[in-house]
Amino acid sequence: KAGVTQTPRYLIKTRGQQVTLSCSPISGHRSVSWYQQTPGQGLQFLFEYFSETQRNKGNFPGRFSGRQFSNSRSEMNVSTLELGDSALYLCASSFQGTTEAFFGQGTRLTVV
Amino acid sequence: TQLLEQSPQFLSIQEGENLTVYCNSSSVFSSLQWYRQEPGEGPVLLVTVVTGGEVKKLKRLTFQFGDARKDSSLHITAAQPGDTGLYLCAGVSAGNNRKLIWGLGTSLAVNP
Repeated sequence: KAGVTQTPRYLIKTRGQQVTLSCSPISGHRSVSWYQQTPGQGLQFLFEYFSETQRNKGNFPGRFSGRQFSNSRSEMNVSTLELGDSALYLCASSFQGTTEAFFGQGTRLTVV
Repeated sequence: TQLLEQSPQFLSIQEGENLTVYCNSSSVFSSLQWYRQEPGEGPVLLVTVVTGGEVKKLKRLTFQFGDARKDSSLHITAAQPGDTGLYLCAGVSAGNNRKLIWGLGTSLAVNP
């Protein structure tokens, strides 16, 4: 069974621009979570979607948003990029009723 | 706020040595997960421990959940270069809103 797929793998953006990242979960998984990972802060939870509804949200500014489609694919958007948004963005899917997370390879975002 | 502290933060050892990494909290978790992350990849689930005092073995890796379900340890016997990576623990919060609480990780380097 195919794993979690994130696109793109690498991205370089300029301050002030916006970016959209995509995540396709494992087939049958309806829960998708997004994380920001930086060396100093570790894995920071952004939000979780289940059946197209945001179920949980972390402590990130409103510039960070997400959505989930009817096929469980998810996107996250960051507007007005700042240098501090440079990080590895990870998507994880989970089977309904479980908490074990299956991660994609991540999108490495660099803001210059 | 629930926190998970991992120690040590960094560990560099020679091939063949044994090591233990720790994951501690003042909070009780319903279960705890261990992941390993290699550079440029997303974390991969190694094991989930559920019962206080539970011990699980995965080849040379031994995982233990504390009796009070507040802490956990990972012991690696005869470490190999392939064990190199970031080891992350994640506790599942008790109650209805089962969120993952992540530690910052232990970065392990096993030198040949």
